This record gives sequence, C-alpha cells and structure tokens, in this order.
Amino acid sequence: AQSVTQLGSHVSVSEGALVLLRCNYSSSVPPYLFWYVQYPNQGLQLLLKYTSAATLVKGINGFEAEFKKSETSFHLTKPSAHMSDAAEYFCAVSDQGNNRLAFGKGNQVVVIP
Amino acid sequence: KAGVTQTPRYLIKTRGQQVTLSCSPISGHRSVSWYQQTPGQGLQFLFEYFSETQRNKGNFPGRFSGRQFSNSRSEMNVSTLELGDSALYLCASSLGQGYAYNEQFFGPGTRLTVL
Repeated sequence: AQSVTQLGSHVSVSEGALVLLRCNYSSSVPPYLFWYVQYPNQGLQLLLKYTSAATLVKGINGFEAEFKKSETSFHLTKPSAHMSDAAEYFCAVSDQGNNRLAFGKGNQVVVIP
Repeated sequence: KAGVTQTPRYLIKTRGQQVTLSCSPISGHRSVSWYQQTPGQGLQFLFEYFSETQRNKGNFPGRFSGRQFSNSRSEMNVSTLELGDSALYLCASSLGQGYAYNEQFFGPGTRLTVL
C-alpha cells in the first residue's frame, strides 16, 4: 500500500524566506504524487502533481516540487513566502490509474511578518 | 463551470442517529470519491464511485456506505453515529475515464458534529 510521510506538523517561515515542506513516499509501483493546500473552512486545492513526466514540477502560486526516485521524495518549495501562503499543506500519493489518494498528516504553515 | 458542491455544510447529530451527506460533482465528471478528515487520523479515503458502481473502498466499518445516482451525484450514509465520526467529510470528483490521470476536484466539505 502506498503511504506518505510529512515531518513537522507546524512549520513557521518568515515572510520572504524559503518555504520547504518535505514529503517522502512509499509505493510498490510507480506513483502519482500530489501536493494540496487547504485554507480554513475550505476543501483541498491542487497545487501541483507528478504523473511520470518531468521530475521538476511547477504549480500554482509559485510553488514547485521535484520527484526524486532514488530518495523516494517529493519536497515542495517556494522561494519567497507570502502572507497568503499561510495554510495547511498535504502531500498525497496514488497508484497510476487509481483515484484513491493516501495523504500525509499535513504541515500547518505559519508565515511570520 | 460550477465546482463540486456538498450539502449540508454543517450538521449536528447525536450518537446512535444516522446521517446522509450529499455531493454534486462537476458537470461531466463520473467519478466521486469520499474522504474523512479528522485531527487525529488526518485525511482517509472512504470510497469511490464510478458510473453508479463502487470502484474502490477504504478501511472503514460497514456503518459507512455510499451510492451514486445516474446523474453522478453521490450520497454517503453513516448509521449508528459514534462520537468518533465527528469530522469534515470531503467529496472529490473527476472525469474517471479509463486509467489516465484525471485531476480530482474537492468540494468544501460537510462538517459533521456528533454529540
């Protein structure tokens, strides 16, 4: 079964600083990998996805992630944090051709002015 | 295009009751998946329906059930509610065609509180 691990439930970052959220996956087959963002009282919004094309994936709002098979990682980065980036971020994995997503525990990002 | 809608947005029930939640997918989407989100367990997959058939099922007790109608709208039902069923229930829809990747679009969720 696929699974993902996100370390550090709460992440504080200064406005303008690098945002780095780590995600490691476990999958017995080539995975699809995703990062979602959730704002308070809202559903999940897809930030970006890896579906076996380019390993460096660019998403919305200036976020990007790199798929590294050797490290089984899919870390999310943004060069410069903005106050509007304060939200909860989830890494997720699925088998190719399968809509069943397995989510990490999430990272609550706090942006300090 | 209208997004995924879920009704009701908030619900309060007491232990032992049953509840039905509704999800209307994006027009043209035939796959609907349900997830439970709690502070302790995080986001967990409940089940997926495609063309009125359950295509995938998570590890939840039989008190959790669902169905999908011919217009792709889906309902999930929880019987004999327990305190631990208090959660945000999220619905996601996608085209669901074949085995190609189809992006899942999430609704705002239904917040269920069991007293």
